[in-house]
Amino acid sequence: GAGVSQTPSNKVTEKGKYVELRCDPISGHTALYWYRQSLGQGPEFLIYFQGTGAADDSGLPNDRFFAVRPEGSVSTLKIQRTERGDSAVYLCASSPRGGSLAGANVLTFGAGSRLTVL
Amino acid sequence: QQQVKQSPQSLIVQKGGISIINCAYENTAFDYFPWYQQFPGKGPALLIAIRPDVSEKKEGRFTISFNKSAKQFSLHIMDSQPGDSATYFCAASLSGYNKLIFGAGTRLAVHP
Repeated sequence: GAGVSQTPSNKVTEKGKYVELRCDPISGHTALYWYRQSLGQGPEFLIYFQGTGAADDSGLPNDRFFAVRPEGSVSTLKIQRTERGDSAVYLCASSPRGGSLAGANVLTFGAGSRLTVL
Repeated sequence: QQQVKQSPQSLIVQKGGISIINCAYENTAFDYFPWYQQFPGKGPALLIAIRPDVSEKKEGRFTISFNKSAKQFSLHIMDSQPGDSATYFCAASLSGYNKLIFGAGTRLAVHP
């Protein structure tokens, strides 16, 4: 597609519920990233995929958070037993390639999925 | 070691003026320093980026100044326009790693 697409744009859920957030990266981009942006803060790294595998998941806050990218394109961020502190905008980004190659750091972000946990 | 500190938190500039946003980093191994622009309801978009082998990079009205010894870099917006009103984030990362570390952001308002 022309840009990174994220769905849903807004999600309101109750504490303790399960949530899935979807990301469609730019076609052909092999690297995909999830970031979390709390109100008034900069994006915070969660996880990075190179192809189908999670190359770096050091930013996932705890085991309630999990992400998959089974076919190397679309990715889903899954949050179990949601807590009020999980409320934030979840941003997805993609880049043409990862690692140390030129252009690897040029991330294109989607508009985000705003999650509100009541 | 991973922190990027950004200032000011907010900035008001008159149309035609110069907007200056500053960032400082701690990890001397960082070697890629981008600035992102974010409008309300949108994701951040890459504005301009610099690597530490140069001290300045200019693209149109936007200039990054980089001071390696002080571990600081700044964004200058010349002839600021109301359309530049947005939140600006500095970031830093290591080549070979894809984890961008972002500053907390600066909300810029350019008044006509």
